[in-house]
This record gives sequence, structure tokens and C-alpha cells, in this order.
Amino acid sequence: KAGVTQTPRYLIKTRGQQVTLSCSPISGHRSVSWYQQTPGQGLQFLFEYFSETQRNKGNFPGRFSGRQFSNSRSEMNVSTLELGDSALYLCASSFTDSGYGYTFGSGTRLTVV
Amino acid sequence: ILNVEQSPQSLHVQEGDSTNFTCSFPSSNFYALHWYRWETAKSPEALFVMTLNGDEKKKGRISATLNTKEGYSYLYIKGSQPEDSATYLCASTGGGNKLTFGTGTQLKVEL
Repeated sequence: KAGVTQTPRYLIKTRGQQVTLSCSPISGHRSVSWYQQTPGQGLQFLFEYFSETQRNKGNFPGRFSGRQFSNSRSEMNVSTLELGDSALYLCASSFTDSGYGYTFGSGTRLTVV
Repeated sequence: ILNVEQSPQSLHVQEGDSTNFTCSFPSSNFYALHWYRWETAKSPEALFVMTLNGDEKKKGRISATLNTKEGYSYLYIKGSQPEDSATYLCASTGGGNKLTFGTGTQLKVEL
């Protein structure tokens, strides 16, 4: 079965621009979570969407937002990009809401210049 | 412990060596402890999910134990092989799909 698909794989943006990243979960998975990894930091939780509703949110500024569509695909948006937003962004999908069966995508590497 | 902490940060071992890593996590509001294996340019791969104090899980040469009362988990690799080279992540959750990750242990197995 197809895994979690993230697009694009790589992205270069300029400070001040905005960016949208996409995540297509495994078929049947209704939960999609997003994580950010910067050098020296562990994966930091951004937010989780379940059945089109944001269920959990991490400690990130309002410039980071997301949404989920009726087919469970999710998008993450970052507005007014800063150099510090350069990171690997991973999404993970799950069938349950207990953390079991959590499957990650390969990530989108965002570079802000 | 307020955050999830992993040690050591990195480890170089010889092929055939056995090794172990530690994950410390807040023992209050604990629901589950996850271990992942993450190879460069790939997705993190789930190894184990453990919930009960005293849990032990095994997958081939890799095993893990859990102590929820004192807030730690050990991951063991027996007879390390070059293909075991990866970053090993642990994450705790108080329930739900919000995982709190440690910064990982980077393992390099040399011939």
C-alpha cells in the first residue's frame, strides 16, 4: 500500500515569502500530524488534524497554520518566512488517535534564503 | 525530567559489538513510549510502542525495555551490523497523536 507522500521534497524560498507544503496520508488514515526538525533539535510537534479539525497544536507562532481536506490530505502553510524556518518538515498519518500505527513521510526540506 | 532526553548523542561501534541507548522521559501523564529508527534521506521507521511498566519488546536483534515509574527506556542492539547505522529516536506521549521526541542517538557501525 502507498505510504505517506509529502510534496515537494525540496523547496527554496526567500525571507518574507509564504510557503505551502502538502501531505497525503495512507489511505484510511484520518489523523495527520506535522513536525519540524531544525539542526540540533528533536522533532518538534506543530499540529495535528483529525477529520478536518485541528485537534492538537504545538508551541509555534501563528505564522504556522494548517488545514485538512475531506479526503484527509493536509497542507501546512508558513507565512512571512524567516531564516529560522529553514528545516525539515515531516508529516505523519495514523488510523487511530493513540499514537499507534504512526507512519511518517520522507519530509520536505525547506531552505529560506 | 521535563523533556525527553536521549543519551549518548552519538556512538561509533565495531561490527559485532552490542550496544544500548537510553531514553528518559517525564513519568507523569505518561501513556506510551515510541522508538523509531531513522536512516538518512528516509522516513523514520517505527520500531516499538510500549505502554506498560516492565514492557519488553523484541524485533530481531533489537530489543527495548520500559520503566514508567522512573521514566526511562533502554534500546539494545545485539551484534551490530553496518545496516544498523541510523539515528534512533524515542518519543513519549500522554495520549493522542502528539509525540514529544528526544534529539536522538546517532549510531555508526564500522566494519
